[in-house]
Amino acid sequence: DAGITQSPRHKVTETGTPVTLRCHQTENHRYMYWYRQDPGHGLRLIHYSYGVKDTDKGEVSDGYSVSRSKTEDFLLTLESATSSQTSVYFCAIRVQGAYGYTFGSGTRLTVV
Amino acid sequence: DQQVKQNSPSLSVQEGRISILNCDYTNSMFDYFLWYKKYPAEGPTFLISISSIKDKNEDGRFTVFLNKSAKHLSLHIVPSQPGDSAVYFCAASALGAGSYQLTFGKGTKLSVIP
Repeated sequence: DAGITQSPRHKVTETGTPVTLRCHQTENHRYMYWYRQDPGHGLRLIHYSYGVKDTDKGEVSDGYSVSRSKTEDFLLTLESATSSQTSVYFCAIRVQGAYGYTFGSGTRLTVV
Repeated sequence: DQQVKQNSPSLSVQEGRISILNCDYTNSMFDYFLWYKKYPAEGPTFLISISSIKDKNEDGRFTVFLNKSAKHLSLHIVPSQPGDSAVYFCAASALGAGSYQLTFGKGTKLSVIP
């Protein structure tokens, strides 16, 4: 078990408010990722990190920012939430020596 | 431009029969392919993978076939069981290019009917 947890699991927020989602891992893996899953779109990469303070944009990064101040935590922030950001958000890590990812259980975010 | 395509949004199969899920890709740099399975309210979980140096990989009831010339891969589940009902995502990466980043398809929802 790669020990990855996401918080919160569910959140409802209002349009225009800031929201931060947290991804926590327990095993010091270097690579971490944020994806969103939407019907008809599958899994799309938002941002990823390859080390502390090292991050880069993915396919759908507009409206999102990330931070990684320590190895175990990767934060995703919606600066001003919009209804189009209603989605299920998944964090993933790449375990050392593996080519695939291990995913967290997801955060269901609803922007009203 | 969608680099990994799963053209069938859904598939229904009788229990005990074979399920075949298909995936096409356009990026010739992709050299490693994975299938993930996702149940509702859970994160995707790794199922099986294949490197481009192979054309087949088998793990129990699951077999992945790769046709590089056609840029096509398929996942076979034999025999299908009701517990296999889930969304299946195909994913690809370009390891030879130094990229571990996975590009996912849109997923295929498999329903296995008892």
